[in-house]
Amino acid sequence: GAVVSQHPSWVICKSGTSVKIECRSLDFQATTMFWYRQFPKQSLMLMATSNEGSKATYEQGVEKDKFLINHASLTLSTLTVTSAHPEDSSFYICSASPLGRVTYNEQFFGPGTRLTVL
Amino acid sequence: KNEVEQSPQNLTAQEGEFITINCSYSVGISALHWLQQHPGGGIVSLFMLSSGKKKHGRLIATINIQEKHSSLHITASHPRDSAVYICAPLGAGSYQLTFGKGTKLSVIP
Repeated sequence: GAVVSQHPSWVICKSGTSVKIECRSLDFQATTMFWYRQFPKQSLMLMATSNEGSKATYEQGVEKDKFLINHASLTLSTLTVTSAHPEDSSFYICSASPLGRVTYNEQFFGPGTRLTVL
Repeated sequence: KNEVEQSPQNLTAQEGEFITINCSYSVGISALHWLQQHPGGGIVSLFMLSSGKKKHGRLIATINIQEKHSSLHITASHPRDSAVYICAPLGAGSYQLTFGKGTKLSVIP
């Protein structure tokens, strides 16, 4: 149980194009999903917290207009990298916290999406 | 801000050896995750613990909340255990994880 999937697992795109990454909780409902980014040889960094039915909360330094997050249902959150540039090339990982948890101790991670912008 | 330190940063072990990875943090927490990241990048949550000790197969995780320290042990290590192990404490009253830089483990046959 508690499986989180991401699609696509990798994507290569041209500079200036937009890329959408999906994060799905397959066997549970997730009130909250988290989006992380990891540059080579660095720690994961939280980009934004996504709550179903409301606007995402972005971390300082993360451009909300560039990284559009939609959490339209309890099992799906999407991250769209708009007008992607080479510096956006990174490993993007989502995690999901199950519905009904009083705290957010439990987070289940997706397998990640590797984005390469040419 | 929670400062998370992991040691060692890199670890090479012979197959069968007992492995210990340490994690210390600076601010009180409600729970701590141990994560495993394989070369392809995917992350697997190994443990989430808030006190004491948990065991899953050859993996054991312990935490001492008062000392702000946690350890991950691997018994009878195997080459398939080769990965980066990441400690991620969860702040008290928070939903945000703070990630350590990871410990890269290589187990040699």
